[in-house]
Amino acid sequence: ETGVTQSPTHLIKTRGQQVTLRCSSQSGHNTVSWYQQALGQGPQFIFQYYREEENGRGNFPPRFSGLQFPNYSSELNVNALELDDSALYLCASSSKSGAGRAVTGANVLTFGAGSRLTVL
Amino acid sequence: AQSVTQPDIHITVSEGASLELRCNYSYGATPYLFWYVQSPGQGLQLLLKYFSGDTLVQGIKGFEAEFKRSQSSFNLRKPSVHWSDAAEYFCAVGARGNTPLVFGKGTRLSVIA
Repeated sequence: ETGVTQSPTHLIKTRGQQVTLRCSSQSGHNTVSWYQQALGQGPQFIFQYYREEENGRGNFPPRFSGLQFPNYSSELNVNALELDDSALYLCASSSKSGAGRAVTGANVLTFGAGSRLTVL
Repeated sequence: AQSVTQPDIHITVSEGASLELRCNYSYGATPYLFWYVQSPGQGLQLLLKYFSGDTLVQGIKGFEAEFKRSQSSFNLRKPSVHWSDAAEYFCAVGARGNTPLVFGKGTRLSVIA
């Protein structure tokens, strides 16, 4: 089975620009979560997508947005980049079962290698 | 609010020595607990997880962890460290239902000859 793949692996942007990061989930997984890992910190939850809808969001402003596609792949978009957005962005996929948002199941995340964003 | 504390920022051990990485959590519900490892330039790899049952869980690469509810701890152990274990280790807490994981700040492990 294929794992979680992310692109690009590295990118450099300037303040005020916009960026799109992409993620292909592991085969058989239907849920994608995005985390931001600043230098020297643990990953912080940005948001999660399930059935192409946002299904939970962390403490991040609206300029962080995302999409999930019918094939369960996902994008993270960040507008109006700030210097503090420089970080490793990790995508993780997992599997949910159940109806709608009343789901149960073990939330074992499979992470990609990340996209390292530098904002100058 | 949920939180995870990893008190040791950096630990250095000799190859072949035993290892214990500490993790304390604060979580209102019954916690699901995880240890992940991150090698330089890599994503996170799951070492082991605790959901319920036996409080001593075995993971990959010879790691184990013990859940102690009374101490709100989930410490990671390995009896004999290998040079390839040098990496960053993260403890995380979540709950059933695919709730987001809350991570600690990590412990960097260095292994010396």
